[in-house]
Amino acid sequence: GAVVSQHPSRVICKSGTSVKIECRSLDFQATTMFWYRQFPKQSLMLMATSNEGSKATYEQGVEKDKFLINHASLTLSTLTVTSAHPEDSSFYICSARDWGREGIEQFFGPGTRLTVL
Amino acid sequence: AQSVAQPEDQVNVAEGNPLTVKCTYSVSGNPYLFWYVQYPNRGLQFLLKYITGDNLVKGSYGFEAEFNKSQTSFHLKKPSALVSDSALYFCAVRDSGTGGFKTIFGAGTRLFVKA
Repeated sequence: GAVVSQHPSRVICKSGTSVKIECRSLDFQATTMFWYRQFPKQSLMLMATSNEGSKATYEQGVEKDKFLINHASLTLSTLTVTSAHPEDSSFYICSARDWGREGIEQFFGPGTRLTVL
Repeated sequence: AQSVAQPEDQVNVAEGNPLTVKCTYSVSGNPYLFWYVQYPNRGLQFLLKYITGDNLVKGSYGFEAEFNKSQTSFHLKKPSALVSDSALYFCAVRDSGTGGFKTIFGAGTRLFVKA
């Protein structure tokens, strides 16, 4: 299957700083990428849908000014958590859809564990 | 709106016994259904999917799932469980009727396989 990578895998930062997480599709072009967050022992909650070359679509309740998403190329989307606070600590997972396979397949990155002190 | 339910938080089974992890769904159009497995501090790994065709879908690691339209279910099964199957399992649904855009996940079921 197709491969999606995330970087970094783990990050610890101080409250008030900004953190950027990268999501890359390594062997396919992803016009659409999705960002999820997962709290301990909970399911994945869709935060936003990122489309290459256009603004991201955010789910209800997700602050677009706090979670900045950029999808500048067909293989890279970034999520920036601005002015992070301890309640932003979570596991962030990106996913990319391979439209070359009729868009049915959705591949997930390994996740990024964010801890805000 | 689409939704998916996994009624069991946890399933316990002895190694070598068959296992079932339940999933029911609700969509307005035809469903695309998926099962994923997650190991601690890892992303999701794809197990299998149902798009169309045969109701019994075979996937990775010996898992299979049966699509039942009348009961709107897509239960995950394996004839003989392994200790290494212990993990968190997510059922997911996408509504093809709305352009098949968003994938919604169930709450997850933790599977414990005892040696």
